[in-house]
Order: sequence, then C-alpha cells, then structure tokens
Amino acid sequence: GAGVSQTPSNKVTEKGKYVELRCDPISGHTALYWYRQSLGQGPEFLIYFQGTGAADDSGLPNDRFFAVRPEGSVSTLKIQRTERGDSAVYLCASSLSGGQSYEQYFGPGTRLTVT
Amino acid sequence: KQEVTQIPAALSVPEGENLVLNCSFTDSAIYNLQWFRQDPGKGLTSLLLIQSSQREQTSGRLNASLDKSSGRSTLYIAASQPGDSATYLCAAGAGSYQLTFGKGTKLSVIP
Repeated sequence: GAGVSQTPSNKVTEKGKYVELRCDPISGHTALYWYRQSLGQGPEFLIYFQGTGAADDSGLPNDRFFAVRPEGSVSTLKIQRTERGDSAVYLCASSLSGGQSYEQYFGPGTRLTVT
Repeated sequence: KQEVTQIPAALSVPEGENLVLNCSFTDSAIYNLQWFRQDPGKGLTSLLLIQSSQREQTSGRLNASLDKSSGRSTLYIAASQPGDSATYLCAAGAGSYQLTFGKGTKLSVIP
C-alpha cells in the first residue's frame, strides 16, 4: 500500500515569508509525528498528533511554528516569518496508534531552504 | 532529557565483512528502540523495532540487540554488501512515543 507522502519535496522561500508543509499519513494510522532534521544531525521531534489533537507539541521551537490535523488524517505544518535557521528537512511519520508497540513509518521529507 | 549517541560516526568495510554498529542512550526508561536506514537525500526506512521487554530482533542479515540496564543497543550486519552503504540511525522511544535519535553512523561497504 501507499506509504507516507509529503509535499512539496523541496521548498525555497525568502526570509520572513509564510510556508505550509503537508503530510499524508498511511491510511488508517491514527498517530502522526513531525520531526526536523538539520544537516549532519538526527531528526528532532517537533509535534505528535493522536487523531485530530496535538497530544504533545513540546518540540516546537517557538510560536512561529504551528501544526494542524483537522480531520485526523492529513496534517499541515505551518511556519510564519521564516528565518534562515529554519532551513532543514522536515520529516513526517505515522504509526498505527500512539503506543510502544508500533513502528513509526517516515515519509521522504520536505527540504526547506530559507534565503 | 534523553540523549542518544552512536559510535562510530563513520565506518568503511570491505564487502563480505560482518560489522557492528553501536548505540547508547542515557535514560533507560524507554518503550522501544528502533533502527533506521537513511540513504542520501531520502527519508528513513525502518529496519528493526525492539520492544523494551525484548532482548533482540532479527530480520534477514540484520540483528539488533537491546540492553536497557546498560543503556545500549547494537545492530549487527552479516556478510555486508555494497547496497548496505547508507547512514544508520538508532532512536529511543519514550514519553509520548516520540523518538529521540542519534546522529547516525555512515557506513560504506567497499566492493
């Protein structure tokens, strides 16, 4: 079946602009995660959704970052007033549920470049 | 705060060798440990998931072990092949099931 998909695959934006990154999880997966990966680093957790609600948003770096999942499927990560330090690969993952038994499956990522 | 360390950062081996990648974590209160593979410019591919109650998991030429008490996991790759060349990441699952990742080990298998 289809895996996790993310759009766009690449996004170049100017400093100060607003961007939206989209994630389509595997069908039937109720848990969804956003991570950010900077060059040479492992991914860092941003936010976790169980269904429609953000169960844990402790990884969001500041209030310029916001994410939604209104119908419990597709999620959008929104970044306001982008800064050059936001440049990274943004990864989305989903799992069958939010539990210790479940593997997280990752999408290909969106490479964001802020100029 | 959980910290995950992977040693070595890079490894180069001739084709056919068996090898071990190491992962250590500071907080033993984990739910699971997951190993991933990442090819350049790509996302992560899950290789193995070990639950906190398990000691090891095997898939084909891969075997991962977990020792919670010492805060260590290893990924063993048997009979390495050039197609195994990639960055291998380990991640500890805890809290709200978020994963805390190491920086990875970049493996090169030389034909």
